[in-house]
Amino acid sequence: DAKTTQPTSMDCAEGRAANLPCNHSTISGNEYVYWYRQIHSQGPQYIIHGLKNNETNEMASLIITEDRKSSTLILPHATLRDTAVYYCIVRGAGTALIFGKGTTLSVSS
Amino acid sequence: GAVVSQHPSWVICKSGTSVKIECRSLDFQATTMFWYRQFPKQSLMLMATSNEGSKATHEQGVEKDKFLINHASLTLSTLTVTSAHPEDSSFYICSAKLAEGYEQYFGPGTRLTVT
Repeated sequence: DAKTTQPTSMDCAEGRAANLPCNHSTISGNEYVYWYRQIHSQGPQYIIHGLKNNETNEMASLIITEDRKSSTLILPHATLRDTAVYYCIVRGAGTALIFGKGTTLSVSS
Repeated sequence: GAVVSQHPSWVICKSGTSVKIECRSLDFQATTMFWYRQFPKQSLMLMATSNEGSKATHEQGVEKDKFLINHASLTLSTLTVTSAHPEDSSFYICSAKLAEGYEQYFGPGTRLTVT
């Protein structure tokens, strides 16, 4: 079973920041938080991952709470092409990614 | 970045026949590859994990003799669906892990339709 809880769906206006929450209250000390997204009928795309520090790359920012029980993925300026299912996954080193149901993000103009 | 390809991108086969799907890591060596299946409006489900040169490990409920996996090289893994039936119709996605590091890179998927 997936170790994370995400809202089923979210809406965001184009150009605004999209903040996608994820709860992972049972995360272990050596497990990372990964975010992937899947655009319809394509393979999942890696977005970002982190252990305990906040992370930022060209796609997004990842904010992890100090107790590591939850995190937020931030897309700073959402575009229509960001409409996708976003998966928050907790994973230990060397193990396979196990997908939950994810959050369907709909970006509209 | 690391690129994973799959072939074919879509395939239609008749019930009772077998179909092979290839997964290739194009610009890196993958010691471990994963196979997932995704039914419409559902999430990805892990089917099996394969390590180069050894037998694949199938997840509980996934028949190893029906879903044959071969990982003969560091850049190629194949999934063969034997004696396919309409209920095997699905989106099959492979993923490859770098020999060093934790990241998994996904292929574009193969849509299988069994008639």
